Amino acid sequence: KQEVTQIPAALSVPEGENLVLNCSFTDSAIYNLQWFRQDPGKGLTSLLLIQSSQREQTSGRLNASLDKSSGRSTLYIAASQPGDSATYLCAAPDSSYKLIFGSGTRLLVRP
Amino acid sequence: EAQVTQNPRYLITVTGKKLTVTCSQNMNHEYMSWYRQDPGLGLRQIYYSMNVEVTDKGDVPEGYKVSRKEKRNFPLILESPSPNQTSLYFCASSFGAGGNEQFFGPGTRLTVL
Repeated sequence: KQEVTQIPAALSVPEGENLVLNCSFTDSAIYNLQWFRQDPGKGLTSLLLIQSSQREQTSGRLNASLDKSSGRSTLYIAASQPGDSATYLCAAPDSSYKLIFGSGTRLLVRP
Repeated sequence: EAQVTQNPRYLITVTGKKLTVTCSQNMNHEYMSWYRQDPGLGLRQIYYSMNVEVTDKGDVPEGYKVSRKEKRNFPLILESPSPNQTSLYFCASSFGAGGNEQFFGPGTRLTVL
C-alpha cells in the first residue's frame, strides 16, 4: 500500500532563498508523481508531473526530481518570492489511480 | 480554457436535506473522481469513475452517491447529509488514468448544520 510523506511540515524562509521540499513514498512501482500547490481554502493547482521513466521536470523557477530507487522526490524552488507562500502537496497514484497525498509542506516566504 | 468546474462553491445546509454538487470538465477526460479534504486527515477519495457508466468506491464512500451518465459530468450526491460531511470537496479529472496528470476543480466548501 502506497504511503506518501512530506518533510518538513512547515518552512519559513526569507525572500530570495533557494529551497527544497521533500516527498517520500513507500512503493517504488509508481506510475508518476505529481506536485501541487494549494492556497488557503482554495483548490489544488498542478505544478509538475514526473512520469516514472523521468528523473526530473522543470517549469520556470520550479524543478522536481524523482528517484524511484530511494523512494524520494524533491521540489526545488529557486529565488523564492512572497507569492510562493502556500502549501505544497505531492501525490502518487495507487493501483486504482487514486492519488495518495502527502500531508503537505506549508511554506512562508518572508519579504 | 481547459478546466474543471464545480458548483456550488459554497453551501450551507441542514441535516437530511438532499443536495448535489456538480462537477464538469471540458477536456474530454475519461477518469474523474471526488475527494474530500479535512484538517488532519488530508485528501481522501470518495468515488471515482473510469468512464461513462463506470463508477467505483474510493476510501470514504459512505453517505455519498455518484453517477456518470455523460463523459463531462460527474455529480456528487448527498442523499441525507450529516454534520460529519462538513468538508471541502474537490473534483478531479485526467485523460485516461495511471500515468496522466490529474486536474482539480476549485473546491466546494460544504457546511451541514
